[in-house]
Amino acid sequence: DGGITQSPKYLFRKEGQNVTLSCEQNLNHDAMYWYRQDPGQGLRLIYYSQIVNDFQKGDIAEGYSVSREKKESFPLTVTSAQKNPTAFYLCASLDESYNEQFFGPGTRLTVL
Amino acid sequence: AQKVTQAQTEISVVEKEDVTLDCVYETRDTTYYLFWYKQPPSGELVFLIRRNSFDEQNEISGRYSWNFQKSTSSFNFTITASQVVDSAVYFCALSETGGGADGLTFGKGTHLIIQP
Repeated sequence: DGGITQSPKYLFRKEGQNVTLSCEQNLNHDAMYWYRQDPGQGLRLIYYSQIVNDFQKGDIAEGYSVSREKKESFPLTVTSAQKNPTAFYLCASLDESYNEQFFGPGTRLTVL
Repeated sequence: AQKVTQAQTEISVVEKEDVTLDCVYETRDTTYYLFWYKQPPSGELVFLIRRNSFDEQNEISGRYSWNFQKSTSSFNFTITASQVVDSAVYFCALSETGGGADGLTFGKGTHLIIQP
Protein backbone atom coordinates (compact mmCIF):
# COMPACT_ATOMS: atom_id res chain seq x y z
CA ASP A 1 0.00 0.00 0.00
CA GLY A 2 1.23 3.47 -0.83
CA GLY A 3 1.45 5.96 1.96
CA ILE A 4 3.48 7.86 4.50
CA THR A 5 5.06 6.16 7.48
CA GLN A 6 6.12 7.98 10.61
CA SER A 7 7.87 6.20 13.40
CA PRO A 8 7.62 5.85 16.26
CA LYS A 9 4.06 6.88 17.14
CA TYR A 10 5.10 7.94 20.65
CA LEU A 11 8.55 9.16 21.61
CA PHE A 12 9.92 10.19 24.97
CA ARG A 13 13.18 12.02 25.49
CA LYS A 14 14.99 13.75 28.29
CA GLU A 15 15.48 17.47 28.11
CA GLY A 16 18.70 18.44 26.36
CA GLN A 17 18.80 15.43 24.05
CA ASN A 18 18.50 15.63 20.30
CA VAL A 19 15.91 13.33 18.76
CA THR A 20 15.21 12.37 15.15
CA LEU A 21 11.72 11.70 13.84
CA SER A 22 11.38 9.45 10.84
CA CYS A 23 9.20 10.10 7.78
CA GLU A 24 9.13 7.75 4.79
CA GLN A 25 6.85 7.81 1.75
CA ASN A 26 6.44 5.39 -1.15
CA LEU A 27 4.15 7.64 -3.17
CA ASN A 28 6.94 8.90 -5.44
CA HIS A 29 6.21 12.47 -4.40
CA ASP A 30 8.92 15.09 -4.82
CA ALA A 31 7.81 17.50 -2.11
CA MET A 32 7.67 16.69 1.60
CA TYR A 33 6.75 18.72 4.68
CA TRP A 34 7.02 18.78 8.45
CA TYR A 35 4.35 20.41 10.59
CA ARG A 36 4.04 20.83 14.32
CA GLN A 37 0.70 20.76 16.17
CA ASP A 38 0.19 21.99 19.73
CA PRO A 39 -3.05 21.52 21.70
CA GLY A 40 -5.74 23.90 20.51
CA GLN A 41 -3.51 25.13 17.72
CA GLY A 42 -3.46 24.55 14.04
CA LEU A 43 -0.54 23.01 12.24
CA ARG A 44 2.53 25.16 11.74
CA LEU A 45 5.12 24.56 9.05
CA ILE A 46 8.62 23.67 10.26
CA TYR A 47 10.53 22.75 7.11
CA TYR A 48 9.77 21.60 3.61
CA SER A 49 11.64 20.08 0.72
CA GLN A 50 10.54 20.28 -2.88
CA ILE A 51 13.34 18.11 -4.23
CA VAL A 52 16.15 15.86 -3.04
CA ASN A 53 19.12 17.68 -1.47
CA ASP A 54 17.14 20.89 -1.10
CA PHE A 55 14.94 22.19 1.70
CA GLN A 56 13.54 25.47 3.01
CA LYS A 57 12.66 26.81 6.43
CA GLY A 58 9.03 27.19 7.31
CA ASP A 59 7.48 29.49 9.89
CA ILE A 60 8.99 27.86 12.99
CA ALA A 61 12.31 26.32 11.91
CA GLU A 62 14.36 27.43 14.91
CA GLY A 63 15.60 24.48 16.93
CA TYR A 64 14.96 21.97 14.16
CA SER A 65 17.03 20.51 11.33
CA VAL A 66 16.24 18.28 8.37
CA SER A 67 17.92 16.38 5.57
CA ARG A 68 16.68 15.10 2.22
CA GLU A 69 19.19 12.63 0.88
CA LYS A 70 16.58 10.35 -0.68
CA LYS A 71 13.27 11.08 -2.33
CA GLU A 72 11.50 8.68 0.01
CA SER A 73 12.84 10.02 3.28
CA PHE A 74 12.66 13.35 5.11
CA PRO A 75 13.84 12.98 8.73
CA LEU A 76 13.37 15.78 11.24
CA THR A 77 15.81 16.35 14.11
CA VAL A 78 14.54 18.19 17.15
CA THR A 79 17.61 19.71 18.75
CA SER A 80 18.22 20.77 22.32
CA ALA A 81 17.89 24.37 21.10
CA GLN A 82 14.16 23.91 20.61
CA LYS A 83 12.66 25.45 23.74
CA ASN A 84 9.32 23.66 23.76
CA PRO A 85 9.72 20.43 21.80
CA THR A 86 6.76 18.55 23.29
CA ALA A 87 4.19 18.43 20.48
CA PHE A 88 2.55 16.32 17.82
CA TYR A 89 4.61 16.20 14.62
CA LEU A 90 3.06 15.49 11.24
CA CYS A 91 4.84 14.73 8.01
CA ALA A 92 3.22 15.24 4.61
CA SER A 93 3.99 14.84 0.93
CA LEU A 94 2.47 16.56 -2.07
CA ASP A 95 0.68 14.88 -4.94
CA GLU A 96 1.32 17.46 -7.65
CA SER A 97 -1.16 15.84 -10.00
CA TYR A 98 -4.07 16.53 -7.68
CA ASN A 99 -2.52 19.39 -5.70
CA GLU A 100 -3.20 17.55 -2.48
CA GLN A 101 -1.01 17.01 0.56
CA PHE A 102 -1.11 13.54 2.11
CA PHE A 103 -0.32 13.26 5.79
CA GLY A 104 1.32 10.57 7.85
CA PRO A 105 -0.08 9.29 11.16
CA GLY A 106 2.13 11.60 13.22
CA THR A 107 4.63 11.22 16.06
CA ARG A 108 3.81 12.49 19.53
CA LEU A 109 7.01 13.69 21.15
CA THR A 110 7.20 14.24 24.88
CA VAL A 111 10.29 15.76 26.42
CA LEU A 112 10.61 15.07 30.12
CA ALA B 1 0.88 37.65 5.06
CA GLN B 2 -1.72 34.95 4.83
CA LYS B 3 -3.98 33.99 7.69
CA VAL B 4 -6.84 31.60 8.38
CA THR B 5 -9.33 32.15 11.18
CA GLN B 6 -11.65 29.50 12.54
CA ALA B 7 -13.50 31.36 15.25
CA GLN B 8 -15.42 28.35 16.53
CA THR B 9 -13.13 26.45 18.89
CA GLU B 10 -15.65 23.75 19.69
CA ILE B 11 -19.15 22.89 18.50
CA SER B 12 -21.40 20.27 20.05
CA VAL B 13 -24.60 19.12 18.38
CA VAL B 14 -26.94 16.19 18.62
CA GLU B 15 -26.81 13.57 15.91
CA LYS B 16 -28.84 14.35 12.77
CA GLU B 17 -28.56 18.10 13.26
CA ASP B 18 -26.97 20.19 10.52
CA VAL B 19 -23.80 22.04 11.48
CA THR B 20 -21.70 24.70 9.76
CA LEU B 21 -18.02 25.28 10.41
CA ASP B 22 -16.79 28.76 9.59
CA CYS B 23 -13.52 29.68 7.92
CA VAL B 24 -12.33 33.20 7.12
CA TYR B 25 -9.08 33.78 5.30
CA GLU B 26 -6.72 36.63 4.48
CA THR B 27 -4.36 36.81 1.54
CA ARG B 28 -2.96 39.47 -0.75
CA ASP B 29 -2.75 37.15 -3.73
CA THR B 30 -5.48 36.94 -6.33
CA THR B 31 -4.61 33.29 -6.92
CA TYR B 32 -4.88 31.04 -3.93
CA TYR B 33 -6.18 27.66 -2.80
CA LEU B 34 -8.37 26.71 0.12
CA PHE B 35 -8.58 23.33 1.80
CA TRP B 36 -10.51 21.49 4.46
CA TYR B 37 -9.00 18.60 6.41
CA LYS B 38 -10.51 16.31 9.01
CA GLN B 39 -8.45 15.06 11.97
CA PRO B 40 -10.09 12.11 13.75
CA PRO B 41 -8.87 11.05 17.21
CA SER B 42 -6.17 8.90 15.59
CA GLY B 43 -4.41 12.13 14.61
CA GLU B 44 -3.89 11.64 10.89
CA LEU B 45 -5.23 14.42 8.68
CA VAL B 46 -7.71 13.42 6.02
CA PHE B 47 -8.14 15.61 2.94
CA LEU B 48 -11.73 16.69 2.27
CA ILE B 49 -11.67 19.34 -0.42
CA ARG B 50 -9.54 21.83 -2.36
CA ARG B 51 -10.91 24.93 -4.02
CA ASN B 52 -9.01 27.50 -6.07
CA SER B 53 -9.78 31.19 -6.03
CA PHE B 54 -11.17 31.19 -9.54
CA ASP B 55 -13.83 28.64 -8.80
CA GLU B 56 -16.59 30.05 -6.63
CA GLN B 57 -19.00 27.25 -7.28
CA ASN B 58 -20.31 25.64 -4.17
CA GLU B 59 -19.64 21.95 -3.86
CA ILE B 60 -21.66 19.11 -2.44
CA SER B 61 -20.34 15.67 -1.66
CA GLY B 62 -22.90 13.47 0.04
CA ARG B 63 -23.70 15.05 3.41
CA TYR B 64 -20.86 17.55 3.05
CA SER B 65 -21.12 20.90 1.31
CA TRP B 66 -18.86 23.90 1.00
CA ASN B 67 -19.76 27.54 0.47
CA PHE B 68 -16.97 29.69 -0.99
CA GLN B 69 -17.61 33.45 -0.99
CA LYS B 70 -14.76 35.70 -2.14
CA SER B 71 -16.73 38.80 -1.21
CA THR B 72 -16.54 37.88 2.46
CA SER B 73 -13.29 35.85 2.24
CA SER B 74 -15.04 32.83 3.64
CA PHE B 75 -15.02 29.13 2.88
CA ASN B 76 -17.58 27.51 5.16
CA PHE B 77 -18.23 23.81 5.57
CA THR B 78 -21.64 22.32 6.31
CA ILE B 79 -22.41 18.80 7.43
CA THR B 80 -26.02 17.81 6.90
CA ALA B 81 -27.66 15.21 9.11
CA SER B 82 -24.56 14.85 11.25
CA GLN B 83 -23.43 11.46 12.50
CA VAL B 84 -21.29 10.41 15.45
CA VAL B 85 -18.52 9.41 13.02
CA ASP B 86 -18.25 13.06 12.00
CA SER B 87 -16.79 13.86 15.41
CA ALA B 88 -13.29 15.18 14.80
CA VAL B 89 -11.23 18.34 14.58
CA TYR B 90 -11.68 20.12 11.26
CA PHE B 91 -9.05 22.40 9.81
CA CYS B 92 -9.33 25.01 7.12
CA ALA B 93 -6.10 25.82 5.29
CA LEU B 94 -4.80 28.27 2.70
CA SER B 95 -2.02 28.21 0.14
CA GLU B 96 -0.85 30.73 -2.39
CA THR B 97 0.68 27.93 -4.48
CA GLY B 98 -1.14 24.97 -5.95
CA GLY B 99 -1.58 22.18 -3.44
CA GLY B 100 0.46 24.05 -0.91
CA ALA B 101 3.81 23.55 -2.60
CA ASP B 102 5.35 26.04 -0.17
CA GLY B 103 3.37 24.64 2.72
CA LEU B 104 -0.15 25.23 3.99
CA THR B 105 -1.32 27.89 6.45
CA PHE B 106 -3.81 26.34 8.83
CA GLY B 107 -6.50 27.74 11.06
CA LYS B 108 -6.58 26.59 14.67
CA GLY B 109 -9.29 24.08 13.96
CA THR B 110 -12.83 23.47 15.14
CA HIS B 111 -13.48 20.53 17.42
CA LEU B 112 -16.82 19.06 16.37
CA ILE B 113 -18.63 16.81 18.82
CA ILE B 114 -21.64 14.88 17.62
CA GLN B 115 -23.64 13.48 20.49
CA PRO B 116 -25.78 10.38 19.96
